[in-house]
Formats: sequence, C-alpha cells, structure tokens
Amino acid sequence: EIVLTQSPGTVSLSPGQTATLSCRASETVASNYLAWYQHKPGQAPRLLIYAASGRATGIPDRFSGSGSGTDFTLTISKLEPDDFAVYYCHQYGYSRDTFGQGTKLEIK
Amino acid sequence: QVQLVQSGAEVKKPGASVKVSCKASGFIFSNYDIEWVRQAAGQGPEWMGWMNANSGNRGYGQRFQGRVIMTRDTSISTAYMELRSLRSEDTAIYYCARYNPGAIVKDGFDLWGQGTMLTVSS
Repeated sequence: EIVLTQSPGTVSLSPGQTATLSCRASETVASNYLAWYQHKPGQAPRLLIYAASGRATGIPDRFSGSGSGTDFTLTISKLEPDDFAVYYCHQYGYSRDTFGQGTKLEIK
Repeated sequence: QVQLVQSGAEVKKPGASVKVSCKASGFIFSNYDIEWVRQAAGQGPEWMGWMNANSGNRGYGQRFQGRVIMTRDTSISTAYMELRSLRSEDTAIYYCARYNPGAIVKDGFDLWGQGTMLTVSS
C-alpha cells in the first residue's frame, strides 16, 4: 500500500501567518488523486482539496494545494483562529486508499 | 439537507460483532460509493473499504478481509458496516463517507457521517 508521510507533526503559528504542510507518498499517486481534510475534535473531517489542487465547494481561496507524483503541499494563508485543527492527506488513486498520520496546526 | 447520519455509540466484548448504519439523505444514494474509515485515539484515519450503493460491488482493505462485511439497503438509502471477531484494538471512531465514482475528476470524500464510537472491552 502507499504510505503517506506528513510533516511536520505539529506546527505552531499565529493568526495572519501562512502554514505550509507537506505530504510525501512512498509511490506515485495515480492521477494525483490526493486530498486534504481538516479535522476538529468531535466533528467529521471536512474536505478541503481534491486531486492535489482542486478546491472543494465552499472552501475559501486561502486554502490551496499543489504538487504531483509523490510530493504534495497544503498552504493556508492568512491564518484565522478557526483554521487551527489537524490536517490529513489522503490518496485515493490506488485501489486501496491510505491516509497520512496528520499535522496538528496549533496557535502560537 | 444533504447528510449522512450514523447509528449511535456501541460497547462490545471481545469476540463479538458490531453493525454500524449510515443513512443518506438529500442526495441520490445510488450515485455514490459509501466508504468506511476508522480512527483510533491518537492515530491517523484508516481506510476500511468501499461499497457501491447501486451495484453493491465492494472492496475491503487487506487488514479487514474476512472480518468486515459492507452491505446496503437502497429502499431506505442506508449503508451498513459489520465488523466481526472484535478485539480491543478495534476501539475507534468509525465514519462513513461518500465518494462519487462517476465524477470526471474524482473529488475525494466530500461528505462524512458524524462518526460512531465503538468501544471493545471485557
């Protein structure tokens, strides 16, 4: 199965700053079918980015995805208090999906 | 309202089985796959498998082969995930999510249920 490694494990930033989260795959992700989700305690995960760079419905343009092949990035600009959460990447291009272990974005 | 609503929390003993339901509303159930994902405390999500709501075709993650069964009842737009031979390591939150296999550009899991907490303990 494809292993997704996210870095850093935790990042501490202040509102207004820019967060850059990384997701590296052990093999090429087919069709760049790599998604990013935001997850807060007690809530369902929320789809942010699909197919590496497509923004899901209702997601502000402060969230952007980039990358291809094995290296992908989620960038969150002008951080707002509501953005502090855990972020997961997910590859769905292979017949067996896998998720990364997550990056926690915390307030500095 | 477009949503997936899951059944409530469960407490089971080791060796038992659990069946979690996921009821869809506000969209055409048969147009989607229903995926199941679980998350144990302090760990990342783990994909368990998928089922096409129209055909009933399904696929399971290797770790769950032989222990999980995914079914659906199209008359009530509900998907089910049954996990057997439970052990303590199965303690987790279980989520259903929808995926559109017919989309030209596949867009991931765009709608999730609220989660079902399963506790396996003697």
